[in-house]
Amino acid sequence: GAGVSQSPRYKVAKRGQDVALRCDPISGHVSLFWYQQALGQGPEFLTYFQNEAQLDKSGLPSDRFFAERPEGSVSTLKIQRTQQEDSAVYLCASSIGPFVYEQYFGPGTRLTVT
Amino acid sequence: ELKVEQNPLFLSMQEGKNYTIYCNYSTTSDRLYWYRQDPGKSLESLFVLLSNGAVKQEGRLMASLDTKARLSTLHITAAVHDLSATYFCAVDLDNNNDMRFGAGTRLTVKP
Repeated sequence: GAGVSQSPRYKVAKRGQDVALRCDPISGHVSLFWYQQALGQGPEFLTYFQNEAQLDKSGLPSDRFFAERPEGSVSTLKIQRTQQEDSAVYLCASSIGPFVYEQYFGPGTRLTVT
Repeated sequence: ELKVEQNPLFLSMQEGKNYTIYCNYSTTSDRLYWYRQDPGKSLESLFVLLSNGAVKQEGRLMASLDTKARLSTLHITAAVHDLSATYFCAVDLDNNNDMRFGAGTRLTVKP
């Protein structure tokens, strides 16, 4: 079956623009995660959904970052008024359920803010 | 605050040699994960370690977890070029799916 997919794969935005990044998890996966990975660093947790409920958003770096998963499947990470420090790869991962631990990662969206 | 520290951060080794990558973490957790990442690619799950003393092996890689020491190791046996990648450990903060990653170990295996 298909894995986690993300779109777009690459996004260039001018500073101040809003962007929306999409994640399609593996079908039937209850849990969905967003991570930010800066160049040469490990992924950093942003937020976590269980179905449509956002259970943890403690990693979102500012109120410019917003994530949603309205129907419990596809998720969108929105960044408003992008800044250069937002440049990173944004990774989405999903897992079967909250008590099944293995997370499957998508290919990521590389965001460059100029 | 949870800290996850890997060492070494960079590792260059010759084919056929053995080496160990270490992952230390600073809080109580009994869930630890190892991932592999190739350049420009996403993360591939290697091992999921869920209890003290857990040991898992796949091919030339073996991972272990000591929750009392807050230490996991990834041992490489008789390295081959195909193992060249960046390896991350990740700890599940408070066992609630909030994963915190180490900075990664960039492994290069030379012929």
